[in-house]
Amino acid sequence: TQLLEQSPQFLSIQEGENLTVYCNSSSVFSSLQWYRQEPGEGPVLLVTVVTGGEVKKLKRLTFQFGDARKDSSLHITAAQPGDTGLYLCAGNFGNEKLTFGTGTRLTIIP
Amino acid sequence: DTGVSQDPRHKITKRGQNVTFRCDPISEHNRLYWYRQTLGQGPEFLTYFQNEAQLEKSRLLSDRFSAERPKGSFSTLEIQRTEQGDSAMYLCAVVTGGPFTGELFFGEGSRLTVL
Repeated sequence: TQLLEQSPQFLSIQEGENLTVYCNSSSVFSSLQWYRQEPGEGPVLLVTVVTGGEVKKLKRLTFQFGDARKDSSLHITAAQPGDTGLYLCAGNFGNEKLTFGTGTRLTIIP
Repeated sequence: DTGVSQDPRHKITKRGQNVTFRCDPISEHNRLYWYRQTLGQGPEFLTYFQNEAQLEKSRLLSDRFSAERPKGSFSTLEIQRTEQGDSAMYLCAVVTGGPFTGELFFGEGSRLTVL
């Protein structure tokens, strides 16, 4: 069974600060996704990374895939209250389903 | 709008009752997934369909759970003799055609509370 560990589990910071959250696995990902989920809603896809070392940017969000394709990070610059939510990483290990991490619950304080 | 509609959005039931959730993708998607998410956890895979064929079931899916996708379009997830431990958000997701890339498009979920 592949396990994805996310850290930190909870993060609360002031508006305007930067932050990084992490996703780690003991297995190699075929691909990795980051999702964001708001209370009472389903997760929404933010990005997919496939190649080791890949970096993708989505406005103030920067996603990095580890060289060995076993870890990933999400960096948010100048966090805003609208960034508040549950950030989930999810990995595909070469089969037809996604395995999700436990998530990082982010709160941005105005 | 992901184009995946789930019904009902909320269901409160008493222990021992049966419940059924429905997932309706707006357009055709050959793969459809069911996940379960409990408070403070990420979604956990339950089962998935390729058209009308159910290709994989998680060990989480006890014999009280059954899922169908009779015409390869909408899907239902039924839980019989509900238990308090079944309380969770049940999420449906679809994948567009082509090789699986891990990009799932989720519905808004059906939240089940078993009293």
